[in-house]
Amino acid sequence: DQQVKQNSPSLSVQEGRISILNCDYTNSMFDYFLWYKKYPAEGPTFLISISSIKDKNEDGRFTVFLNKSAKHLSLHIVPSQPGDSAVYFCAAQMEYGNKLVFGAGTILRVKS
Amino acid sequence: EAQVTQNPRYLITVTGKKLTVTCSQNMNHEYMSWYRQDPGLGLRQIYYSMNVEVTDKGDVPEGYKVSRKEKRNFPLILESPSPNQTSLYFCASNSRGGLGSYTFGSGTRLTVV
Repeated sequence: DQQVKQNSPSLSVQEGRISILNCDYTNSMFDYFLWYKKYPAEGPTFLISISSIKDKNEDGRFTVFLNKSAKHLSLHIVPSQPGDSAVYFCAAQMEYGNKLVFGAGTILRVKS
Repeated sequence: EAQVTQNPRYLITVTGKKLTVTCSQNMNHEYMSWYRQDPGLGLRQIYYSMNVEVTDKGDVPEGYKVSRKEKRNFPLILESPSPNQTSLYFCASNSRGGLGSYTFGSGTRLTVV
C-alpha cells in the first residue's frame, strides 16, 4: 500500500501561469516532506522541503504548502517556465527514518 | 564537483547472469542507499547503508545484495537476475544518516531478458 500518493500522473500548464502539484500521504508519523524534480536520463534532484512544524516554505518561484490535518501537501510553481517541464516526485520521511518514501510522480509539461 | 557516480548507465543482460552495478560518491557521506524506479510506483528503497560494514534491507530487497567495504562505494549485486528486476536503478547518498535530502546518481537502466 502506497503511503505517499500523487494522484495526477500528468499536468499541462501554459508558460507564465501557476503549476500546482499535489501529494497525499497516509502515515501520520511522517514529519518531513520533500519535492524532487527529474529530467529524462538524469537522477532526481532536490527542489524544496518542509518540516511538519511549518505550513509553508518558499524558495524563489517554488512554494510548498503542508496541511497536516488533511495529510496533504502541494507544490506551487509561479510563474511556470518551459524549463520546469519534468517529472516531480513528492517524498516523505519520519523523524528518525532512514529512507525517503516516494510517490509515483507527476509529469509536468509547461507549454510556451 | 560533488556527485554520485553510477556505472553502467545502461545494461542488457540475460536471466541468471550475475551482475554488479557500481556506485561511488565523493562527498564523504556515511549514508548510501539504492532505489529502483518503476512506472506507477515511484522510487522504492532496496538496501541502505549507514556506514562502512553497516547495511540493512529496504522495502524491496529480494534478489539483491550489497556491500560497503569502503565509505565511498556501495555496489548493488544481482546474483541471478530475473526479468522482474528490469528497472531503473538509482544510488543516493546523504550526510545526515538518511535524514533530509539525498544526492542521487544519474541512474542505471537495467533490462533482463
